[in-house]
Amino acid sequence: DAGVTQSPTHLIKTRGQQVTLRCSPKSGHDTVSWYQQALGQGPQFIFQYYEEEERQRGNFPDRFSGHQFPNYSSELNVNALLLGDSALYLCASRPGGSIVDEQYFGPGTRLTVT
Amino acid sequence: ELKVEQNPLFLSMQEGKNYTIYCNYSTTSDRLYWYRQDPGKSLESLFVLLSNGAVKQEGRLMASLDTKARLSTLHITAAVHDLSATYFCAVDRDDKIIFGKGTRLHILP
Repeated sequence: DAGVTQSPTHLIKTRGQQVTLRCSPKSGHDTVSWYQQALGQGPQFIFQYYEEEERQRGNFPDRFSGHQFPNYSSELNVNALLLGDSALYLCASRPGGSIVDEQYFGPGTRLTVT
Repeated sequence: ELKVEQNPLFLSMQEGKNYTIYCNYSTTSDRLYWYRQDPGKSLESLFVLLSNGAVKQEGRLMASLDTKARLSTLHITAAVHDLSATYFCAVDRDDKIIFGKGTRLHILP
């Protein structure tokens, strides 16, 4: 079992550009959540996807959007990048509908905006 | 609005000592998580606590949950250097998961 995988590992973009980050959940997991972790801070919840729909959303602007595919993998898109979007972006997965199962985090994508 | 507060935010302690990290949250929750993060790494799940009075232990770490007080604790027994890391608690309500700011733990040999 590969666990949660994310790509790319690192990314450098320029202000105003757009970026797409990808996540494959752990085998058997159908719920995917995305988090932004700025340096020295705790992860901030961006949104959660289940059955290809956004189920919950944190306090992030519409520049942050996502998608979940039928195979449960997910993408995070950020438009009009700002310097403040520089962070570690984490994806986590867990089985939907299970109250006891923990969520597992991927290794993250480190985004630098210059 | 769900808020999660951890204290202390920084903790430097000697090996062999005991200490407790506290996690307070503002509203009822479905689950409470504890995670460990090493520098530059992702999050490692330590515990999931679901119900009032839940207690879980793994090695030198023990977590407990008091849903009435909206308080969870992570207790470290006889600390060793390998436990140096940042520890986060996170509260899950209606699938919206809010993290505390983390406790940076430094254990001196």
